[in-house]
Amino acid sequence: QQQVKQSPQSLIVQKGGISIINCAYENTAFDYFPWYQQFPGKGPALLIAIRPDVSEKKEGRFTISFNKSAKQFSLHIMDSQPGDSATYFCAASIRGNTPLVFGKGTRLSVIA
Amino acid sequence: DGGITQSPKYLFRKEGQNVTLSCEQNLNHDAMYWYRQDPGQGLRLIYYSQIVNDFQKGDIAEGYSVSREKKESFPLTVTSAQKNPTAFYLCASSTAGFNEKLFFGSGTQLSVL
Repeated sequence: QQQVKQSPQSLIVQKGGISIINCAYENTAFDYFPWYQQFPGKGPALLIAIRPDVSEKKEGRFTISFNKSAKQFSLHIMDSQPGDSATYFCAASIRGNTPLVFGKGTRLSVIA
Repeated sequence: DGGITQSPKYLFRKEGQNVTLSCEQNLNHDAMYWYRQDPGQGLRLIYYSQIVNDFQKGDIAEGYSVSREKKESFPLTVTSAQKNPTAFYLCASSTAGFNEKLFFGSGTQLSVL
């Protein structure tokens, strides 16, 4: 059973455009939702994270939108740049209680 | 520089052979994890350890074994019982058990000869 469903599997965006990646979860006990960014041949690194007490969190060009009633959260990358080309993973956990469960990843390509 | 070191970067396994992947951290983190990454499959948890001399199975522990004799080290052995071992293996650590921020190593690519 896949606990966190991520879409799309791949995404191509023009430079300067908005990249949007979506995730949905089933377990209503999840209370921590991070996004990780992974470049080829490297390990993932934490990009941004949100808790369910807020509906949006912004850090620079990266924004997480969270919809608790729909059990969905998404990553928005504004003004996408070629350097943003990477694989992005959403994840969820019950903080302090369970390990992170990851989505299957989205490969983003930003083309000039 | 503090971080997580995985070695080797590439590893080849022969039929029926056990191989061990190394993971060392100098971040003074209590918790360590092993994930397996397959194309299009995301990251799947193999084993994790919250303290020295203790570890728990993750979602796909069959065919793998670990030890945690030192805080800094969490080696993963891929045994001959793991029939499909070809994957990218990632080690991670965090300051405490299930703490939110995971720090990942650069991974080991294991292939079968």
